[in-house]
Amino acid sequence: DADVTQTPRNRITKTGKRIMLECSQTKGHDRMYWYRQDPGLGLRLIYYSFDVKDINKGEISDGYSVSRQAQAKFSLSLESAIPNQTALYFCATSEAGPGTDTQYFGPGTRLTVL
Amino acid sequence: QKEVEQDPGPLSVPEGAIVSLNCTYSNSAFQYFMWYRQYSRKGPELLMYTYSSGNKEDGRFTAQVDKSSKYISLFIRDSQPSDSATYLCALSGGYQKVTFGIGTKLQVIP
Repeated sequence: DADVTQTPRNRITKTGKRIMLECSQTKGHDRMYWYRQDPGLGLRLIYYSFDVKDINKGEISDGYSVSRQAQAKFSLSLESAIPNQTALYFCATSEAGPGTDTQYFGPGTRLTVL
Repeated sequence: QKEVEQDPGPLSVPEGAIVSLNCTYSNSAFQYFMWYRQYSRKGPELLMYTYSSGNKEDGRFTAQVDKSSKYISLFIRDSQPSDSATYLCALSGGYQKVTFGIGTKLQVIP
């Protein structure tokens, strides 16, 4: 079984709809991240969480919110989806501690907002 | 100026060629250097991880870091069609914030 799973894998929705993307991990890592990937722009950090009670905004958090339900679960919500949120979304995890910057990614969710 | 610059390609090479992929960066605080490989419609997977300057070899892959020039490279020897993917460099100062390059798309032609 995959260490980092994301659901759904694909989603098509309409402008104004609320969408939730879910991420679960079995790696036992404390730190979890949400990124979006766009052609020509690469991976951009939306939100990150260093533990269940610690949530931080990334470089592009406007229009998004997150919830860390447990060490293993981190959800990303689009409260009112808009077309420029069409992208590939990735969840990632990492261990805590110095020199542990390697991140482990899920398979991604392809989101299309019409 | 972006913190990390990476040529998006695409880069096409014949099977068996030596491939050189590169990133330059501007932030001298970066100490940890990583390369990720991303196949189409998949998440990035860690390929190489190095700390500070020097070389690190793993099979057909060699990662090279030159901190004085702020330049990192990934070499692939005897390239195979299965190496066709997008390669992302990733750099960190050790505080869990990782900055990614935009990725170079590589195609190895049989």
